[in-house]
Amino acid sequence: DTEVTQTPKHLVMGMTNKKSLKCEQHMGHRAMYWYKQKAKKPPELMFVYSYEKLSINESVPSRFSPECPNSSLLNLHLHALQPEDSALYLCASSQYKGGGEKLFFGSGTQLSVL
Amino acid sequence: RKEVEQDPGPFNVPEGATVAFNCTYSNSASQSFFWYRQDCRKEPKLLMSVYSSGNEDGRFTAQLNRASQYISLLIRDSKLSDSATYLCVVNPGGGADGLTFGKGTHLIIQP
Repeated sequence: DTEVTQTPKHLVMGMTNKKSLKCEQHMGHRAMYWYKQKAKKPPELMFVYSYEKLSINESVPSRFSPECPNSSLLNLHLHALQPEDSALYLCASSQYKGGGEKLFFGSGTQLSVL
Repeated sequence: RKEVEQDPGPFNVPEGATVAFNCTYSNSASQSFFWYRQDCRKEPKLLMSVYSSGNEDGRFTAQLNRASQYISLLIRDSKLSDSATYLCVVNPGGGADGLTFGKGTHLIIQP
């Protein structure tokens, strides 16, 4: 079982809705990530938090808004999404920020935008 | 040239056979290498890290060739449960903060 917990597992939303994805880890990791994955594609990095501070934003549209309330929690707020935003959204954590660290992924939220 | 390249497959392999796939990376400064396994509609899970000296974990062996800039994964005595997509993942180095994922190799083990 993964030690990174994501909720909800599935989400269907309209283009005018506001929703949030949640992620939690209790491994004491200080870096947390949001990835987006389309079918048959590799995960694409969206955001990285290190010590609760946003350190990377890979030019993601403003309709995606990350939040890191504390070292264990990571949220992704969604507003006015487009159908092409439908994808698997994966949260991950690592002990520290840095490409040498192993990533531990949550089971993801399968998002459908209608 | 793409940063991390893998043959997407699919590789159709009979149960019990040995299968190997390679992954090439473009950045010679890359420092860390991993193989992740991903099942359909599931999250990637770390299969193994890849060390310069090569490493083995049960039926799985990973090798790194820095001179030719490729890593390999060998699976011996393949099981039906090995069917999955195998992602090659590289730390590009240079202070980069994210890992670079290959597109994955799809493996199908046939009974």
